[in-house]
Amino acid sequence: NAGVTQTPKFQVLKTGQSMTLQCAQDMNHEYMSWYRQDPGMGLRLIHYSVGAGITDQGEVPNGYNVSRSTTEDFPLRLLSAAPSQTSVYFCASRGNSEAFFGQGTRLTVV
Amino acid sequence: AQSVTQPDIHITVSEGASLELRCNYSYGATPYLFWYVQSPGQGLQLLLKYFSGDTLVQGIKGFEAEFKRSQSSFNLRKPSVHWSDAAEYFCAVTPDYKLSFGAGTTVTVRA
Repeated sequence: NAGVTQTPKFQVLKTGQSMTLQCAQDMNHEYMSWYRQDPGMGLRLIHYSVGAGITDQGEVPNGYNVSRSTTEDFPLRLLSAAPSQTSVYFCASRGNSEAFFGQGTRLTVV
Repeated sequence: AQSVTQPDIHITVSEGASLELRCNYSYGATPYLFWYVQSPGQGLQLLLKYFSGDTLVQGIKGFEAEFKRSQSSFNLRKPSVHWSDAAEYFCAVTPDYKLSFGAGTTVTVRA
């Protein structure tokens, strides 16, 4: 049982480049979400989805897009990376109780 | 506004000593409550959770937490800390599906 799989683990981007962070879960959970973690700020919610075809904004959505075409996958897109998006990104999947987290993607924008 | 507060940014404790991490929340009703631990460079691991019932909950790695409705608190405790408990700890709450996290408390364990 793989749980939540995030790729890549590390990424360096130049300002203005685009990329997609991948997230997949094999637990058939309806609810998935993306967080960013910055020192002293805990984890902040970027976007979330309550099922295939349904997404909504979280606390810090600017500069990020998401889509949910299947239950399993919830990719996060950065259309034009900015240095302020340097962070560690976590994908989470949740059933009726606890949330399960991926191992994170450490993104640096230079 | 709904919020989660972890008042202690950093705690240093001696190995074998007790540990208590504080968490306060501000919500209209009692939310679901969680404690997660994050070792350096790792993801988040669930230590314990509270949904309802007994207000003292037991978790993994010898941790426990007590929910106090009157104080809107969910403090985490461990009677005797091991060097491997050095990590960052996050309190999280959710009234629905969205988890809100505190800023985290970093625990350093000295020999």
